[in-house]
Amino acid sequence: DTEVTQTPKHLVMGMTNKKSLKCEQHMGHRAMYWYKQKAKKPPELMFVYSYEKLSINESVPSRFSPECPNSSLLNLHLHALQPEDSALYLCASSPVGDNEKLFFGSGTQLSVL
Amino acid sequence: KQEVTQIPAALSVPEGENLVLNCSFTDSAIYNLQWFRQDPGKGLTSLLLIQSSQREQTSGRLNASLDKSSGRSTLYIAASQPGDSATYLCAVVTTDSWGKFQFGAGTQVVVTP
Repeated sequence: DTEVTQTPKHLVMGMTNKKSLKCEQHMGHRAMYWYKQKAKKPPELMFVYSYEKLSINESVPSRFSPECPNSSLLNLHLHALQPEDSALYLCASSPVGDNEKLFFGSGTQLSVL
Repeated sequence: KQEVTQIPAALSVPEGENLVLNCSFTDSAIYNLQWFRQDPGKGLTSLLLIQSSQREQTSGRLNASLDKSSGRSTLYIAASQPGDSATYLCAVVTTDSWGKFQFGAGTQVVVTP
């Protein structure tokens, strides 16, 4: 199994809603990532978990809250988002090491109204 | 800070022609360089990973070279097909920034039948 599975594929939410994005992998990877991608732009790193501990937080606003409940799952909790947060949210995983290959999920297309 | 540049931003070629995509980076102290393909609204698919000690990697019609001293990588796609139409991104991770893959803005490729 070389897949990273993300749910939901599409999400529309209001600025007062609370929602969660989910990501799952069964490749035994111990590093998991959240990226944000705007149209026609490269992915921007948000968070990195290594061995289920948050190791990188790229100064992301607190309305985005990551969680890594176990080595296979990664969540991104969303609360009080702004319309400018509308984007494609990508999850990725990799082994932990010097030559890690990134595997991406297909993403969640988020629209904030 | 590592900066990654991809030129050209867009490229259109007739079917059968070879594709040459360029990626340049400013800091040569890298662990590896990875090439990805992205279809519109989808996640990224890893194509090739070149470790810092390697000069090139090949997979089928794809060949990627790496010249660390000049800060360049080139992705060659032989005998292009309409199905090769996509955006191609390169990403590097430097030795002092584990987990922080730095992406180029990508080259959008259109292969016309």
